[in-house]
Amino acid sequence: DTAVSQTPKYLVTQMGNDKSIKCEQNLGHDTMYWYKQDSKKFLKIMFSYNNKELIINETVPNRFSPKSPDKAHLNLHINSLELGDSAVYFCASSQDGAGGQPQHFGDGTRLSIL
Amino acid sequence: GNSVTQMEGPVTLSEEAFLTINCTYTATGYPSLFWYVQYPGEGLQLLLKATKADDKGSNKGFEATYRKETTSFHLEKGSVQVSDSAVYFCALSEWQAGTALIFGKGTTLSVSS
Repeated sequence: DTAVSQTPKYLVTQMGNDKSIKCEQNLGHDTMYWYKQDSKKFLKIMFSYNNKELIINETVPNRFSPKSPDKAHLNLHINSLELGDSAVYFCASSQDGAGGQPQHFGDGTRLSIL
Repeated sequence: GNSVTQMEGPVTLSEEAFLTINCTYTATGYPSLFWYVQYPGEGLQLLLKATKADDKGSNKGFEATYRKETTSFHLEKGSVQVSDSAVYFCALSEWQAGTALIFGKGTTLSVSS
């Protein structure tokens, strides 16, 4: 029944490793997003896809690579993890990406780099 | 560029007190405005929204009015409950397709009985 689901919920790993976070939405939405929430709870957009096409790519290190196999899924792969990557990553979706539409968020993935 | 400014927290209130969390925005166009709430360990949930000037969004006793003249969208509730303890985020998005949410820094509300 979960509208936007992310896995894993927690991810603890060492510096230099490569990891992926998966996101799936069952709302039939066309647009999906990745946001990063830092330790002070500040939220910032990273990427957005509309119907599998990348439409927002903020200033994010190219170690971060989103992939959308279909419009219901948006995964985030991170190479060569660094201490500064520790954060909570949220996936979200909206109907078709138009500005007035609310976005539906997953419960987040807490990434901790040792 | 577009931005959202929220009052600094934390805000600490007793049950049944009146709540105001201030939010002002800067935008080049005609944004939609939102309040989201984040309970501990959870994702963000939409609390209310307004898409044009003078619209009032309301939900669960919370309300906020889109004021274009003061570029504000302050959140209010007449009588808070312990269960309202959470982090509240004000956010905006522009009208065009493909836009993302721009968030304020969040305000932590703690309500005691």
